[in-house]
Amino acid sequence: DAGVTQSPTHLIKTRGQHVTLRCSPISGHKSVSWYQQVLGQGPQFIFQYYEKEERGRGNFPDRFSARQFPNYSSELNVNALLLGDSALYLCASSLGSPGYSGNTIYFGEGSWLTVV
Amino acid sequence: AQKITQTQPGMFVQEKEAVTLDCTYDTSDPSYGLFWYKQPSSGEMIFLIYQGSYDQQNATEGRYSLNFQKARKSANLVISASQLGDSAMYFCAMREGMNSGYSTLTFGKGTMLLVSP
Repeated sequence: DAGVTQSPTHLIKTRGQHVTLRCSPISGHKSVSWYQQVLGQGPQFIFQYYEKEERGRGNFPDRFSARQFPNYSSELNVNALLLGDSALYLCASSLGSPGYSGNTIYFGEGSWLTVV
Repeated sequence: AQKITQTQPGMFVQEKEAVTLDCTYDTSDPSYGLFWYKQPSSGEMIFLIYQGSYDQQNATEGRYSLNFQKARKSANLVISASQLGDSAMYFCAMREGMNSGYSTLTFGKGTMLLVSP
């Protein structure tokens, strides 16, 4: 079975532009989360979706938005890009409800975003 | 206060030796989970091992074991018989809020492990 897949793997954008990152969870997984990892730091939580509903949002500006589709795939959108948005964006999926303690959380390979 | 603290920015170990990566955590939630992930230079976050706060025994997964000391709020990762391919960044992470229907991971800053021949 395929793991968590993300696209694109690398991209370069100019300040002020918009970017859309995509994620397909492991087959059967209904919960998707997004994390931002800047160089030298651990990942920071951005969004969590379960059954197409937003279940949580981290401390990120409104320029960041996301959604989950009926097939449980997800998109992360970032508007008005800043240099500081340059980071690795990781998508994670888990099987059931975010509140279920037995869920293992699996990550994709990430999307490397560079803003110039 | 930081929720996850990894005090070792870097660790060096020789091949075939065991190594312990430290992790301490801070939470008032009685139900939480602790994860260790490996991140090679490619960026993928690879799941290694999980310990639930109510688990009675320390978790083990092959060469990985988690030394869980609840009273000390520590969850150290032990890698036995290190291999060259173990060289990577290692992150400790905690999941809280598991009774609220909403839970996320909080990560430490990571420990870079280098395994030498």
